[in-house]
Amino acid sequence: DIVMTQSPEFLAVSLGERATINCKSSQSVLYSSNNKNYLAWYQQKPGQPPKLLIYWASTRESGVPDRFSGSGSGTDFTLTISSLQAEDVAVYHCQQYYSSITFGQGTRLEIK
Amino acid sequence: EVQLVQSAAVVKKPGESLRISCKGSGYSFTGYWIGWVRQMPGKGLEWMGIIYPGDSDTTYSPSFQGQVTISADMSISTAYLQWSSLKASDSAKYYCARLPPYGSGHTWFDSWGEGTLVTVSS
Repeated sequence: DIVMTQSPEFLAVSLGERATINCKSSQSVLYSSNNKNYLAWYQQKPGQPPKLLIYWASTRESGVPDRFSGSGSGTDFTLTISSLQAEDVAVYHCQQYYSSITFGQGTRLEIK
Repeated sequence: EVQLVQSAAVVKKPGESLRISCKGSGYSFTGYWIGWVRQMPGKGLEWMGIIYPGDSDTTYSPSFQGQVTISADMSISTAYLQWSSLKASDSAKYYCARLPPYGSGHTWFDSWGEGTLVTVSS
C-alpha cells in the first residue's frame, strides 16, 4: 500500500496569511504514460462530509475558490491557501489513487 | 444536482447484522463508481471499497476484505454496505461517495453523502 503522510498535523495561521499543507507519498504517484499525478485534496469542516478541492494534484474542482491551489509531483505535494479566510477552518486530507486508494491522516487548520 | 442520500444513524448490539444504504440521484447511477469510506471518531478517512453499479464489479481494501459486503441495486439507484456480525470497533461514521468513471474506478471522490453514524454497544 502507498502510505500518505501529511505535515504538519496541526496548523494555525492568521487571517489573510498563507497556509501551506504538505503531503508525502511512500512511492511516486506520477503515472509516466500520461504525466499525471494521481493525488486529490479534500476539505472537511466540523460535522460535514469531506468536499473535493483538487484532483490530478493541481486541478481545482468547479466552484472551489482560486485561493486554493495544489502543486507538487512524484512523492511531494502541497496544498496552499493564499489568503486564509475564517471559513477555511477545517481538516484537510490528501488522497492518492495511483495504486488502490489511501488517505493521509489529515491536517487540522485553525485561525491564529 | 448530484445527491447521495444515506440512511439514518443506527445503534446496534455486538453480533448483530446491519445494512446501511446510499441512494444516488441527479446523475446516471450506473455510470459512476460508488465508494465507502470509514471515519472513526476524531480520526482520518479510510477507504473500504468501491462498486460499479452497472455490473456490480467490486473492489475491497485489503483492510476491509471479508469484514463487510458492498452491493448495489441499480433498479433503485442504491448502494449498500453490510455487516454480518458487528463489533464494537465498527462504531464509526460511514460515508458513501461517488467516483468519476476513469479506468478501474480508483479515482477521486467528487460527491459525498452526509454519512451514517453506526454505534455498536451492548
